[in-house]
Amino acid sequence: DAGVIQSPRHEVTEMGQEVTLRCKPISGHDYLFWYRQTMMRGLELLIYFNNNVPIDDSGMPEDRFSAKMPNASFSTLKIQPSEPRDSAVYFCASSPIPGQPQHFGDGTRLSIL
Amino acid sequence: SQQGEEDPQALSIQEGENATMNCSYKTSINNLQWYRQNSGRGLVHLILIRSNEREKHSGRLRVTLDTSKKSSSLLITASRAADTASYFCATDAGSKLTFGKGITLSVRP
Repeated sequence: DAGVIQSPRHEVTEMGQEVTLRCKPISGHDYLFWYRQTMMRGLELLIYFNNNVPIDDSGMPEDRFSAKMPNASFSTLKIQPSEPRDSAVYFCASSPIPGQPQHFGDGTRLSIL
Repeated sequence: SQQGEEDPQALSIQEGENATMNCSYKTSINNLQWYRQNSGRGLVHLILIRSNEREKHSGRLRVTLDTSKKSSSLLITASRAADTASYFCATDAGSKLTFGKGITLSVRP
């Protein structure tokens, strides 16, 4: 089975540009999670979905961040406008049942210049 | 704030030695999980221990959980160079996991 697929793997862009990160969860997994990883703050949960519906977005840092899940096989995390402090590795993960092991993609390394 | 906090932050051992990593947490949990992250990759689930379990084994991994002390330990026996990675504990108190900042394990050949 294919794992969680994220794209792009690397993104370098200038401050103020819109950034869109993409995720394809494992088929049949009803829960999808977006995380951000930095040296300073570790791994932070940004938002998670259940059956395509956002359940908890309390970790989204500010209105510049938005996430959607239009169908069971695709989710996006968008930053507009981007800022240098958004530079981090962004991970998507999925699981079939809440609280059970999550399967992570290999992340998108985002650099905002 | 982070629910789980790992200790030590970094550990360097010789191949063949055992590695012990600890995790402490603050609130009641349903289960506790350990993950590994290799450089440049996503986290990979290693083992899950439920709140009513005290010890669990999986291959060279042994996990203990002490809910009275709100702590867990991960033991890797007979370490290999390929075990070099960052290790994270994650606590589940509902639908989402809260991760610690991780332990960097270096296994010298």
